[in-house]
Amino acid sequence: EVQLVESGGGLVKPGGSLRLSCAASGFTFSSYSMNWVRQAPGKGLEWVSSISSSTSYIYYADSVKGRFTISRDNAKNSLYLHMNSLRAEDTAVYYCARQSNGYSGYDCAYWGQGTLVTVSS
Amino acid sequence: EIVLTQSPGTLSLSPGERATLSCRASQSVSSSYLAWYQQKPGQAPRLLIYGAFSRATGIPDRFSGSGSGTDFTLTISRLEPEDFAVYYCQQYGISPYSFGQGTKLEIK
Repeated sequence: EVQLVESGGGLVKPGGSLRLSCAASGFTFSSYSMNWVRQAPGKGLEWVSSISSSTSYIYYADSVKGRFTISRDNAKNSLYLHMNSLRAEDTAVYYCARQSNGYSGYDCAYWGQGTLVTVSS
Repeated sequence: EIVLTQSPGTLSLSPGERATLSCRASQSVSSSYLAWYQQKPGQAPRLLIYGAFSRATGIPDRFSGSGSGTDFTLTISRLEPEDFAVYYCQQYGISPYSFGQGTKLEIK
């Protein structure tokens, strides 16, 4: 069974930093592209970043480019999101998500339960 | 950047009826990299359709996707009580990937 478990969320002051982690199990992590998607309270979904299986391809939303860094450790079956210069508008539940299959592109077939990041003074 | 516009914003229907949700892109979505998701309150989204028309694992066949280019449709042939939720489309063909603003499907 595919499982994705996010951690690392919490309360942080504006301008601060946070690192989110996503622990994957139940599949060969190194074979799949991964995504981060966020959802502000009461709002819709917003794509944040994607990374290919071998880290050859990395993409970011304009709203986080230059502040957030996606990475993965295939040996540890883990996905990360390093977030710097956090702003109030980054407050959201952050989900990690796995693609459907190796050739489906960056869709989000499997999702974690999400971790809440709150940016406030 | 590709902007996705979903319509209607809210759709009020009764169980057993047919639902048709629209997603229009500001430019052509490459290789039909268009997905549909369902989200219920307090839950993570669930993938329904990827590649514009391929049903995800475990999705009932009352859900179907169609379209190409800039116009895509999610159809639910006969609504079940558990289908009332918010639906999002997403394009993942050209970065930055983007979601539509959502369509809320509510019980009439």
